[in-house]
Amino acid sequence: DVKVTQSSRYLVKRTGEKVFLECVQDMDHENMFWYRQDPGLGLRLIYFSYDVKMKEKGDIPEGYSVSREKKERFSLILESASTNQTSMYLCATTTGRETQYFGPGTRLLVL
Amino acid sequence: GENVEQHPSTLSVQEGDSAVIKCTYSDSASNYFPWYKQELGKRPQLIIDIRSNVGEKKDQRIAVTLNKTAKHFSLHITETQPEDSAVYFCAASSTSGTYKYIFGTGTRLKVLA
Repeated sequence: DVKVTQSSRYLVKRTGEKVFLECVQDMDHENMFWYRQDPGLGLRLIYFSYDVKMKEKGDIPEGYSVSREKKERFSLILESASTNQTSMYLCATTTGRETQYFGPGTRLLVL
Repeated sequence: GENVEQHPSTLSVQEGDSAVIKCTYSDSASNYFPWYKQELGKRPQLIIDIRSNVGEKKDQRIAVTLNKTAKHFSLHITETQPEDSAVYFCAASSTSGTYKYIFGTGTRLKVLA
């Protein structure tokens, strides 16, 4: 059974803070993804990684960066949090080309 | 750019009726089409998927149809039950590229008892 975990379920941060969201998977999956989910906008891809130290921009990378130092761990970094980054953040993984498995999500509130 | 349009954004049906959610994709290279269900406060979970080499796939009360020529695919739920109430997302992906999904904007389905 695939297990994808995220470091926090809820997070409250202040504008300008540096924020780290972490995703860990235990299935040796190569590909990992970070999405944000907003009402009416669906899931939008921020960044993804297909291997350790490899990363590619998704559709909305501005204001975010990522880090993948180990295969099982993919971190999303908000360099200087802003109120428009208040959202639900979902991590997903896939072993190859098809089914993506999601983590439980982190609901981030930036004040 | 590539996008997936999903309709309707909300759908209310009486218990026992059928529900249909439709998606249209733009990238001709898309060849894999999953559907995810997200219950309130939970993570999205795959409920059914279809590949471009088939036109229809069924799993109990759920079916998906694909029209590659028109770039349409649809989710059909028959004999709806209250536990079918959730947000449903369609997605399109090309398995020959970077394995990215393009998601639709979601449909909130309410099944009225």
